[in-house]
Amino acid sequence: AQSVSQHNHHVILSEAASLELGCNYSYGGTVNLFWYVQYPGQHLQLLLKYFSGDPLVKGIKGFEAEFIKSKFSFNLRKPSVQWSDTAEYFCAVINTGTASKLTFGTGTRLQVTL
Amino acid sequence: NAGVTQTPKFQVLKTGQSMTLQCAQDMNHEYMSWYRQDPGMGLRLIHYSVGAGITDQGEVPNGYNVSRSTTEDFPLRLLSAAPSQTSVYFCASSYRSGGADTQYFGPGTRLTVL
Repeated sequence: AQSVSQHNHHVILSEAASLELGCNYSYGGTVNLFWYVQYPGQHLQLLLKYFSGDPLVKGIKGFEAEFIKSKFSFNLRKPSVQWSDTAEYFCAVINTGTASKLTFGTGTRLQVTL
Repeated sequence: NAGVTQTPKFQVLKTGQSMTLQCAQDMNHEYMSWYRQDPGMGLRLIHYSVGAGITDQGEVPNGYNVSRSTTEDFPLRLLSAAPSQTSVYFCASSYRSGGADTQYFGPGTRLTVL
């Protein structure tokens, strides 16, 4: 069965620190990849997505992610985090070549301190 | 557009009670789905629908029923609530089926079953 792994469950950073959150998936084939963010008390919203083309994708609020097909990874990065980036981040993957459904990782809670 | 709306926002039930969580979208999306979010487990798919009159089970369907009589509405029914169904429930919709497109999430329903 397909699975999505987010190894960092809880990350604490100071403002201006750099961020990298890992996301790995377990299956091959053509995939669509997403990062969603859930700010405290709010619903999930799309941060960025990769369907095809340039494997380095840029999203909202200065976030970016790099798709490395050989490593089955789609890590999320931000050069300098802000207090307002405190949120839970979810990676999601779907194999577009099969009838599989979108699978979410378990999420990473990011806490940014002042 | 209101996007995806859910009611109620909060609900407390006693074991054995039934209730319906409402979900509606005004984006004319064909694909709608229900997820539950539990700490450390991310989002898990309960049921989904690829269009009016068509529904199917997701990863954790037991104890839940759905129907899709219109494109706009996708209610989730708990027939006999159990404490294990205490969770936050999110409804989502997307233009394309199977979750291969950006998901638009509702604000969620926090359900507690005593």
